[in-house]
Amino acid sequence: ETGVTQTPRHLVMGMTNKKSLKCEQHLGHNAMYWYKQSAKKPLELMFVYNFKEQTENNSVPSRFSPECPNSSHLFLHLHTLQPEDSALYLCASSQVDRGAPDTQYFGPGTRLTVL
Amino acid sequence: DQQVKQNSPSLSVQEGRISILNCDYTNSMFDYFLWYKKYPAEGPTFLISISSIKDKNEDGRFTVFLNKSAKHLSLHIVPSQPGDSAVYFCAASPHFNKFYFGSGTKLNVKP
Repeated sequence: ETGVTQTPRHLVMGMTNKKSLKCEQHLGHNAMYWYKQSAKKPLELMFVYNFKEQTENNSVPSRFSPECPNSSHLFLHLHTLQPEDSALYLCASSQVDRGAPDTQYFGPGTRLTVL
Repeated sequence: DQQVKQNSPSLSVQEGRISILNCDYTNSMFDYFLWYKKYPAEGPTFLISISSIKDKNEDGRFTVFLNKSAKHLSLHIVPSQPGDSAVYFCAASPHFNKFYFGSGTKLNVKP
């Protein structure tokens, strides 16, 4: 596997379900991100992890719970979601060096549908 | 409030001609800018970047121009090819780790 991988690629869940999205990066990066992309809207940054520590939470509802067990893996745990949470969830990684700009590399995304 | 805007949701261009995609931003603290290309069912892929110390960066058929006074950047694709048909996102960053994305412009290059 190369780059950034995400599983599953598609997920349909009911509002009472609990599911998890998985992201793995094979680039040796030290930062990972979750983004949400809704139709015709900009990508919305949800969470940022630097060196496995969460450094950003953009006012995301608690029904989304991230987990970063190591610098290569990132999870997004989902529970009691709402239909408006249906979107494409994208994972990204980058190599962050303080003072230098970084470029984020994205996975293919998980298309989530909440019924 | 959106800090990065792509006001054209779509653009159609004939093969071989120039495609110009535009992006405006509001935050004068942004100092690093990127363009991403996205095909259906795939994640965005990095295309080209520019830092605020430059006003132009070129990579093959792709050139990004930055006008800091106007808070405007543009991506030129010359010559356009049918394989360039995709959604293009611009992104801007005030510092490492933090990126603000536009809503995208769907480019259709007609053969």
